[in-house]
Amino acid sequence: DTEVTQTPKHLVMGMTNKKSLKCEQHMGHRAMYWYKQKAKKPPELMFVYSYEKLSINESVPSRFSPECPNSSLLNLHLHALQPEDSALYLCASSQERSGLASPDTQYFGPGTRLTVL
Amino acid sequence: ELKVEQNPLFLSMQEGKNYTIYCNYSTTSDRLYWYRQDPGKSLESLFVLLSNGAVKQEGRLMASLDTKARLSTLHITAAVHDLSATYFCAVDLAGGTSYGKLTFGQGTILTVHP
Repeated sequence: DTEVTQTPKHLVMGMTNKKSLKCEQHMGHRAMYWYKQKAKKPPELMFVYSYEKLSINESVPSRFSPECPNSSLLNLHLHALQPEDSALYLCASSQERSGLASPDTQYFGPGTRLTVL
Repeated sequence: ELKVEQNPLFLSMQEGKNYTIYCNYSTTSDRLYWYRQDPGKSLESLFVLLSNGAVKQEGRLMASLDTKARLSTLHITAAVHDLSATYFCAVDLAGGTSYGKLTFGQGTILTVHP
């Protein structure tokens, strides 16, 4: 089963709202990722978690707050977002390759389409 | 800073024709990936290329890697409409603080028409 699930599929929120995006995988992967993708652009990495610890934060504004409660779950907490944050948010996971230079292939979830009004 | 450039960015093909998408990258990399994305959908992994001279084929798609030239190609043979999608190459900048960081090319929007 190479499936990464994300909820919700669509989210509309106001600039003062607080919401969360959820991502789940049951492939035993120990690396999980959040990406942001604007229309007709490639995905941009936001965060990387390795063994439930934050290993990369690509200078993302603090209104985005990631959380990895356990090895299967990844959350992205949203607060005081701006309209320009509207995008497709993709979660991915991959197998770790301990001691090697890079992890294995990243498998992507279906994404959450976020609209900020 | 790693740069990944694809060309062409837009490709309109007739069914039955062959064409190649190119992916150039600027620094040494551990792995190169090709992904497919249908409109409004997520990314599907097509190929991972690990070493110089690597070639992989799946159906009408064939990917190759030349690490010395820092170039990967995605060759499409006898295109069919179902191949219409956006194709991304992505490079893994190996090691240290970049572990797991994929840098994507701009994407090639492929349209196959009768």
